Amino acid sequence: DIQMTQSPASLSASLEEIVTITCQASQNIGNWLAWYQQKPGKSPQLLIYGTTSLADGVPSRFSGSRSGTQYSLKISRLQVEDIGIYYCQQASSTPLTFGSGTKLEIK
Amino acid sequence: QVKLQQSGAELVKPGASVKLSCKTSGYTFSTSYMSWFKQIPGQSIEWIGMIYAGDGGTGYNQKFKGKATLTVDTSSSTAYMDLSSLTTEDSAVYFCAEGYNYPYVMDAWGQGASVTVSS
Repeated sequence: DIQMTQSPASLSASLEEIVTITCQASQNIGNWLAWYQQKPGKSPQLLIYGTTSLADGVPSRFSGSRSGTQYSLKISRLQVEDIGIYYCQQASSTPLTFGSGTKLEIK
Repeated sequence: QVKLQQSGAELVKPGASVKLSCKTSGYTFSTSYMSWFKQIPGQSIEWIGMIYAGDGGTGYNQKFKGKATLTVDTSSSTAYMDLSSLTTEDSAVYFCAEGYNYPYVMDAWGQGASVTVSS
């Protein structure tokens, strides 16, 4: 199975700050990487797919990038509505696997 | 508008089985891929398996083989997951999710169904 190592586990940042979350894949997954946001008591929502493509309705302050097998999610100007838990997921092969999550809070 | 409506919370006894449903609307169910996921509160998300509604073909995470059985009813655009021989380790929230653009990327999710296994 492909392991997704996500960091940090938690993150506290100020409004308007730039936030970056990373995921390291245990093997080559190409651009088959998605990011989801999950708010308390809710289901995950797709943010980014194909490493860099924004899902419908996702604000442009979210962006994704890749360097080798390391993937990053960047929030350019943190807003209150961005709090939640963020997960990466490899979409290269089954079993689909997720990172351990990053809990994002406002400082 | 794509919508996935899951059945309600379940409280079941150890050793019993439970069948969860996921009723869909807003897209062509008969050519879609439905995945199911498990999430224990406070933990990450696990992929249980996937079913192709067109022919009922399935793929499972090895970890859940023998535990979960996925089926569909195309006449009602509904997907089902049977969980058998339940133990307390099966207590979790279960989500259905649809990858209508790419089968392995979940564009839409159900609201989740809580399963509590307790005597």
